[in-house]
Amino acid sequence: QKEVEQDPGPLSVPEGAIVSLNCTYSNSAFQYFMWYRQYSRKGPELLMYTYSSGNKEDGRFTAQVDKSSKYISLFIRDSQPSDSATYLCAMSVGTNAGKSTFGDGTTLTVKP
Amino acid sequence: ETGVTQSPTHLIKTRGQQVTLRCSSQSGHNTVSWYQQALGQGPQFIFQYYREEENGRGNFPPRFSGLQFPNYSSELNVNALELDDSALYLCASSSRQGRRGEQYFGPGTRLTVT
Repeated sequence: QKEVEQDPGPLSVPEGAIVSLNCTYSNSAFQYFMWYRQYSRKGPELLMYTYSSGNKEDGRFTAQVDKSSKYISLFIRDSQPSDSATYLCAMSVGTNAGKSTFGDGTTLTVKP
Repeated sequence: ETGVTQSPTHLIKTRGQQVTLRCSSQSGHNTVSWYQQALGQGPQFIFQYYREEENGRGNFPPRFSGLQFPNYSSELNVNALELDDSALYLCASSSRQGRRGEQYFGPGTRLTVT
């Protein structure tokens, strides 16, 4: 079993919808939780990161961490066709984000 | 501020050959991590370099090796290539003194082993 499990999708929503992307994990030592967006044939782009449990908001994006349930989410409000991409969750033990463990990604398509 | 760059963009090699991939870290970043991303999967951590020393390795065999130079750029070397080494190789830079949750990826090198 993988340390980080991510809903595989694919996910298809109409423009303007609220999107929920989720990951579960098994390693209780994870402290930093990141979300990346990856367009086809490109490197991942860091969207947000959070430390420990709680919510963090950045524009249309909200990241949520529930360490008691080992569950993290990314919500996208007012989704746009430009949000169509693969979303990767990632986690790290300690403060070194450079040693992250990734989920396999959820592919999102936002239809105009 | 320059971002992370990688070269080459694409590479085709034959099984058994050796390959060297290169990465220049983002300005101000002193730590470089390498990841392998197979098709349809998330990136897998290979190893990290900090101050020219290996600072942690994932579950990859010794034929995967690396270097970091004084200017923080880095190389990934893979010997005795196997078909399963075909993947997107990603370099990411971060700063041990900066924001702890941040690392920034380059565009990757797509390696095909035939």
